[in-house]
Amino acid sequence: GAVVSQHPSRVICKSGTSVKIECRSLDFQATTMFWYRQFPKQSLMLMATSNEGSKATYEQGVEKDKFLINHASLTLSTLTVTSAHPEDSSFYICSASLSGHSYEQYFGPGTRLTVT
Amino acid sequence: AQKITQTQPGMFVQEKEAVTLDCTYDTSDQSYGLFWYKQPSSGEMIFLIYQGSYDEQNATEGRYSLNFQKARKSANLVISASQLGDSAMYFCAMREKNTGNQFYFGTGTSLTVIP
Repeated sequence: GAVVSQHPSRVICKSGTSVKIECRSLDFQATTMFWYRQFPKQSLMLMATSNEGSKATYEQGVEKDKFLINHASLTLSTLTVTSAHPEDSSFYICSASLSGHSYEQYFGPGTRLTVT
Repeated sequence: AQKITQTQPGMFVQEKEAVTLDCTYDTSDQSYGLFWYKQPSSGEMIFLIYQGSYDEQNATEGRYSLNFQKARKSANLVISASQLGDSAMYFCAMREKNTGNQFYFGTGTSLTVIP
């Protein structure tokens, strides 16, 4: 299957600082990338859908100004958590996919963010 | 209404036995895809199996098979000959043609394989 990388895998930051997480599709051009947040023992919560060259579509309840998403190329999307707070601590997972309902998502390994 | 429903928060199975993980879905779309993913404790999401809404035969991938009952809108995952490494969270997901790119996930089932 296709490979999606995510960097960093773990990050600890102080309250009030910003953190950037990168998601790269290594061997295919992803028309769509997704950003999820997952709390312990819970399902993935879709935060936003990102299409290359256009603004991300955020899910209801997700603050656009806090979670900045940039999808500058077909192989790279970034999520920046701005002015992080301890409640932003979570497991963030990106995925990449081709368009079309028969195509699976390829997931990155996830980033564990801890805000102190 | 929930798009994907997984009613089993946790399941136990004896090693080498088969186990069925339930998944029901809700859609008015005629074209859709159903997926199962495995998430071990490391956190990575691993794709297991796919079933298209127009596929007449149940999908199979090695020890994984999908029991697709379209009229009942169910897409249960069957794992045969369970192994200790199968212990993980399992998520059912759906992607509809009309909603474009979005995936809908269920709440997951935690499977524990007992030696």
